[in-house]
Amino acid sequence: DQQVKQNSPSLSVQEGRISILNCDYTNSMFDYFLWYKKYPAEGPTFLISISSIKDKNEDGRFTVFLNKSAKHLSLHIVPSQPGDSAVYFCAASASDPGGGADGLTFGKGTHLIIQP
Amino acid sequence: DADVTQTPRNRITKTGKRIMLECSQTKGHDRMYWYRQDPGLGLRLIYYSFDVKDINKGEISDGYSVSRQAQAKFSLSLESAIPNQTALYFCATSGGLTDTQYFGPGTRLTVL
Repeated sequence: DQQVKQNSPSLSVQEGRISILNCDYTNSMFDYFLWYKKYPAEGPTFLISISSIKDKNEDGRFTVFLNKSAKHLSLHIVPSQPGDSAVYFCAASASDPGGGADGLTFGKGTHLIIQP
Repeated sequence: DADVTQTPRNRITKTGKRIMLECSQTKGHDRMYWYRQDPGLGLRLIYYSFDVKDINKGEISDGYSVSRQAQAKFSLSLESAIPNQTALYFCATSGGLTDTQYFGPGTRLTVL
């Protein structure tokens, strides 16, 4: 049973607009949530994270929102740029940002395509 | 130079062969992980190690073994490869409780 769900396999957004990627989780023990970005033929790279004690974390064009009661988080990218085209993975940890003894639990990913 | 390297980057092998995938890191991290990714799926944890003397099974360890030769090196072995082990394999490292994971570029393994 998937504990981290990304229900949109792909998302197409026009350059300059806002991209919103969604993630749902089922395990209430998760304490940290992370977004990773992956280009073809490369490993995932860390983008932004949020602790369960917060509801928002911002880093430049990237903002992550966490709604614990709904077990839902979202990544907002504004404005979207062509270089943002990649697969975005939502990940969660029940212990620490590094994943601890259980590693990180990943969603299936959303392929974001930024249209010029 | 990359902080986390994986060799080989691509490998094609036959059913029943023994395969070793290697991971090296220059980040000085104690924690190392091996994940596999299948098409359309997220990454799943195979094994992890918190230091040279500490090896632990992850979610999908059956059919795999690992060796932590040094702080900087963590190898994944398939003793007798089978076709459903065809996947993309990632090594990752982490510096500890407050640090996230850093991934290598991946090894694409095909078992015929």
